[in-house]
Amino acid sequence: GAVVSQHPSRVICKSGTSVKIECRSLDFQATTMFWYRQFPKQSLMLMATSNEGSKATYEQGVEKDKFLINHASLTLSTLTVTSAHPEDSSFYICSARGLAGGLGYEQYFGPGTRLTVT
Amino acid sequence: GNSVTQMEGPVTLSEEAFLTINCTYTATGYPSLFWYVQYPGEGLQLLLKATKADDKGSNKGFEATYRKETTSFHLEKGSVQVSDSAVYFCALSDPGANNLFFGTGTRLTVIP
Repeated sequence: GAVVSQHPSRVICKSGTSVKIECRSLDFQATTMFWYRQFPKQSLMLMATSNEGSKATYEQGVEKDKFLINHASLTLSTLTVTSAHPEDSSFYICSARGLAGGLGYEQYFGPGTRLTVT
Repeated sequence: GNSVTQMEGPVTLSEEAFLTINCTYTATGYPSLFWYVQYPGEGLQLLLKATKADDKGSNKGFEATYRKETTSFHLEKGSVQVSDSAVYFCALSDPGANNLFFGTGTRLTVIP
């Protein structure tokens, strides 16, 4: 149980275009989803936290107009990188946290999406 | 603030060798501590966790003990296998915070 999927796993896009990444909790309801960015040989940096039905909370230094997050249902959150540039190339990982009392507050991670902007 | 300092890699060991990956932390409260593992091309998986001082987390032969006096949570395994080759992340979760704070990760390669 507690499987999180991400789609696509890899995407290459041209500079200036927008890319949408989906994060789904497959077998549980996720009240909270997190979006992380991982640079090569570096740790995960939290970008934003999204709660179902409300606006995402962005970490300091993350542009909310560039990284649009939508958490429309208890099983789906999307991250849209708008007007992507080469410096946005990175590995994006989502995680989902289940409802308290069931899965507790543990985060379950997706497999990640590698974005390359040319 | 909250932070995690993790032993830098890469670490290369022969099969059946003893593994230690050091992890120390700074936290404002009484955090829970975690080790996550990331296999090539995959997302992070929880390996083990400890929620209070002196707790020992264990899984798949890996162990880590929550040491409040030394603010440490070192990962150990007595005999590594080739299949343990992965990147290991130490992390903490502060009860007052909503998210995880990660160390930089340590890449382990086990050679036959």
